[in-house]
Amino acid sequence: EVQLVESGGGLVKPGGSLRLSCVGSGFIFNNYIMSWVRQAPGKGLECVSSISSSSGDIYYADSVKGRFTISRDNAKNSLHLQLNSLRVEDTAVYYCARPGPRGDYWGQGTLVTVSS
Amino acid sequence: DIQMTQSPSSLSASVGDRVTITCRTSQSISTYLNWYQQKPGKAPNLLIFGASTLQSGVPSRFSGSGSGTDFTLTISSLQREDFATYFCQQSYSAPRTFGQGTKVEIK
Repeated sequence: EVQLVESGGGLVKPGGSLRLSCVGSGFIFNNYIMSWVRQAPGKGLECVSSISSSSGDIYYADSVKGRFTISRDNAKNSLHLQLNSLRVEDTAVYYCARPGPRGDYWGQGTLVTVSS
Repeated sequence: DIQMTQSPSSLSASVGDRVTITCRTSQSISTYLNWYQQKPGKAPNLLIFGASTLQSGVPSRFSGSGSGTDFTLTISSLQREDFATYFCQQSYSAPRTFGQGTKVEIK
């Protein structure tokens, strides 16, 4: 069974930093593109970053480019998102997702709250 | 990026009603369209992939149709546990993009 477990969310002041992590199990981690998708309170879903299996191809949404950094460690089946220069509008639940040909698998999400 | 337009943004319906939600894409995506159900405080749950294939374990009252740029999710007879928010997602090209969501509420 595919499982994705996120951690690292919390309350941070504007301008602060956080590092989110996701550990995958139940599949061959280094075979898959991995993504971070966020959902602001009461809002829709936005893919903020994705990374290819070899880390050679990386995508960032314009809203986070230059502030967030995605990385992965295939030896540890882990995915990370470094969030710097956080803004109030980055407040959201951040989901780790594994895109697939038959839909995506999702973790349970981790809440990031940016507030003074 | 492919733009997704989902409608309506919300609807009120009664148990037993037939409900239809539509999703339109800014370019043709063949049948690379997924539908998710989301309940408060939970991650999205896959209902349909490939525009019309029911995910294992999903009740048969859910169905999907369409290809190209126009897609539909239908719930044939709404049940109490179906009151939730529904999202479409294209899986044709990266980044995967989503519709804005349709909140299905009890009338």
